[in-house]
Amino acid sequence: GAVVSQHPSWVICKSGTSVKIECRSLDFQATTMFWYRQFPKQSLMLMATSNEGSKATYEQGVEKDKFLINHASLTLSTLTVTSAHPEDSSFYICSANMIFREQYFGPGTRLTVT
Amino acid sequence: RKEVEQDPGPFNVPEGATVAFNCTYSNSASQSFFWYRQDCRKEPKLLMSVYSSGNEDGRFTAQLNRASQYISLLIRDSKLSDSATYLCVVNVQGKSTFGDGTTLTVKP
Repeated sequence: GAVVSQHPSWVICKSGTSVKIECRSLDFQATTMFWYRQFPKQSLMLMATSNEGSKATYEQGVEKDKFLINHASLTLSTLTVTSAHPEDSSFYICSANMIFREQYFGPGTRLTVT
Repeated sequence: RKEVEQDPGPFNVPEGATVAFNCTYSNSASQSFFWYRQDCRKEPKLLMSVYSSGNEDGRFTAQLNRASQYISLLIRDSKLSDSATYLCVVNVQGKSTFGDGTTLTVKP
């Protein structure tokens, strides 16, 4: 299957700092990338849909000024958690796909805000 | 009503058992369907796509019934390594909606 990388795999930061997470599709050009977060024992919750060259589409309840998404190319999307707080601690997962095809997930980034 | 609903589980079965998971979806415009597997603290991994004609991959069989808006996954001869959470995924216009997942534990 296709490969999606995500970096970093885990990060611990202090409250008030910003954290950037990178998502790359390594062997295909992704028309769309998605950002999810997952809390323990819960399913994935879609945060936003990222399309190359255009603004991300955020799901209801997700603050676009807090979770900044940049989709610079067909192989790279970044999520920046700005002014992180402990309640932002979660497992953040990106995925990429070609339209109407299955999604391939990155390995996830475990964020802990202290 | 949730867009994608799965059996709540958990399912605890002995090795060698056959287990079936069910999933229903509400959007009749849904275009593609998948089963993913997620291990604890890991990302979801594609298990198989689901087609109306049904598809089989080894011990796994997936079925789609568009009329009933229903998807199933059958696992035969369960192995310990099958223990995981199984996610039903429905895709509309390139956007996927995940079920809450069903947890399977296979015991010796």
